[in-house]
Amino acid sequence: DAKTTQPTSMDCAEGRAANLPCNHSTISGNEYVYWYRQIHSQGPQYIIHGLKNNETNEMASLIITEDRKSSTLILPHATLRDTAVYYCIVRVADYGGSQGNLIFGKGTKLSVKP
Amino acid sequence: KAGVTQTPRYLIKTRGQQVTLSCSPISGHRSVSWYQQTPGQGLQFLFEYFSETQRNKGNFPGRFSGRQFSNSRSEMNVSTLELGDSALYLCASSSRGPGVPEQYFGPGTRLTVT
Repeated sequence: DAKTTQPTSMDCAEGRAANLPCNHSTISGNEYVYWYRQIHSQGPQYIIHGLKNNETNEMASLIITEDRKSSTLILPHATLRDTAVYYCIVRVADYGGSQGNLIFGKGTKLSVKP
Repeated sequence: KAGVTQTPRYLIKTRGQQVTLSCSPISGHRSVSWYQQTPGQGLQFLFEYFSETQRNKGNFPGRFSGRQFSNSRSEMNVSTLELGDSALYLCASSSRGPGVPEQYFGPGTRLTVT
């Protein structure tokens, strides 16, 4: 699986958009970009994933560059509850019919401040 | 739909003992993965089960084992506990189907080895 690079930490003002970048310059054509987050002392939470088109759901938007070497997770109106560690993960879709494992890096610690 | 449940939530054991942790996946989910999270190593994949068969295994010693039952519930066992086994153990489930499955994590079991 391709490696990802994320900033160690970021701050965001409550109510503003939080833009979390991720570099994955060695991504392969069949690899997806996944985003998870982990609020302190809880299990990771799936946020969104994409292959090459931009994606949006009720939690966030995912913008993937045309060359697919980087992506940005956007939380449109950050709240204090969005304070968490955000993980960007790149992996193939399906390992021989099973889900395969996720390789978590150190992620970005996002602090949303009032 | 109920989420992934893990029992017990907290556990204190002594070195040399063994421990069994339990995970009940989301109803209808057939794949279960286990992860270990420590401050030093972060989130690391232990193993994955699908249809009662181990599909993938991480780089952990044989003291770590698991199994999955016909109802998709899973257990993991750690024998001859060491101090370094103190960690948050997370279980994740996923439905198998077309496309890219995302994983849903439980709250974890906090194991302390003294």
